[in-house]
Amino acid sequence: DTEVTQTPKHLVMGMTNKKSLKCEQHMGHRAMYWYKQKAKKPPELMFVYSYEKLSINESVPSRFSPECPNSSLLNLHLHALQPEDSALYLCASSQAGWGQSNYGYTFGSGTRLTVV
Amino acid sequence: LAKTTQPISMDSYEGQEVNITCSHNNIATNDYITWYQQFPSQGPRFIIQGYKTKVTNEVASLFIPADRKSSTLSLPRVSLSDTAVYYCLVGDSTSGTYKYIFGTGTRLKVLA
Repeated sequence: DTEVTQTPKHLVMGMTNKKSLKCEQHMGHRAMYWYKQKAKKPPELMFVYSYEKLSINESVPSRFSPECPNSSLLNLHLHALQPEDSALYLCASSQAGWGQSNYGYTFGSGTRLTVV
Repeated sequence: LAKTTQPISMDSYEGQEVNITCSHNNIATNDYITWYQQFPSQGPRFIIQGYKTKVTNEVASLFIPADRKSSTLSLPRVSLSDTAVYYCLVGDSTSGTYKYIFGTGTRLKVLA
């Protein structure tokens, strides 16, 4: 298995809803990442988990809450989002732990989130 | 602040070779240079990675000069399906935390 799987592919939620995005990889990768991408912009790093510990939080608002239940799974819990949070949310993983080396990331196909 | 600089966009015709250059003046000594391709509403896809000189795989070549302050992705004989955004990625440690930041990328449009 050489893929990063993200579910759901599409999500529409209201500003008072609570939802979660899920990411899974079975490549034995040691670091997992959440990125946010707005239209026609590059992906922006949100969170990094390395060896199941949160290593980087890029000053992301608390309405986004990451969780890494085990080495293969990464969740992003969403609560009280704003319309401007609508974006493509990408999960990625890398073989090396965070900051050890850039051996390349494997990205999932993303979750298209729309906040209404 | 992104540590890479690329042309915003490029046009090419089918069958031509395309070269996209990335400038990364502050690349770390132990960092690799990695290129990704992204189609609309999809995640970036790994194309090629290198440390120095030249690397070639089945889809592209990567040229890195001795000073490693730039790199050039070469796509031989492009087709319409190569229309995408191409990003180069290197490490960034200037903020005190080592991280990888995407630059603006290069939008390649292949014309028939």
